[in-house]
Amino acid sequence: DAGVIQSPRHEVTEMGQEVTLRCKPISGHNSLFWYRQTMMRGLELLIYFNNNVPIDDSGMPEDRFSAKMPNASFSTLKIQPSEPRDSAVYFCASLEGGVTDTQYFGPGTRLTVL
Amino acid sequence: QKEVEQNSGPLSVPEGAIASLNCTYSDRGSQSFFWYRQYSGKSPELIMFIYSNGDKEDGRFTAQLNKASQYVSLLIRDSQPSDSATYLCAVNLPPRDNYGQNFVFGPGTRLSVLP
Repeated sequence: DAGVIQSPRHEVTEMGQEVTLRCKPISGHNSLFWYRQTMMRGLELLIYFNNNVPIDDSGMPEDRFSAKMPNASFSTLKIQPSEPRDSAVYFCASLEGGVTDTQYFGPGTRLTVL
Repeated sequence: QKEVEQNSGPLSVPEGAIASLNCTYSDRGSQSFFWYRQYSGKSPELIMFIYSNGDKEDGRFTAQLNKASQYVSLLIRDSQPSDSATYLCAVNLPPRDNYGQNFVFGPGTRLSVLP
């Protein structure tokens, strides 16, 4: 299996612009997680989906952030408008469910907002 | 008290020694525990998971879980310079609203294995 796929791997944008991050989970996995990692705050859960339905979005920082999962093989995390404090590495992870609750991470998107 | 705590390190050990990494968690009802390794600039990579009290061994790695004391540890035997990385402890705490997952990651411990 190709593992979790994220795009783009790097994104540099200017403050105020819209940013869209994309994730393709491992085939057959029924849960998908979006995390943000910074030096100051570590790895933080933003939102997670189970069977394409958002279950817990309590980690989404504010209304500028939104996430969708239109089908089992694709999810997006959108920031509009972006701000310099959004600069971080954003990870997507998927989980098969069933016997184990092990998450597998994608390579991440490094976002820089100027 | 934070939900998942780790010493941030850095923890330095000589090559060939045993590295011991510790993690404590706040909720006694937690059921599953994970260790991830993260190299600089890379994504977290699963090393081991453990669900039951006691030890679980996989090659040079041993995870130890003590639910009564609410800690989980990772031992790395015969440490190699390639083991130098940040090690993240993750706990699946009891879910909010009694449904779904509630993963919380610790801040990570930076390990440095000196040749």
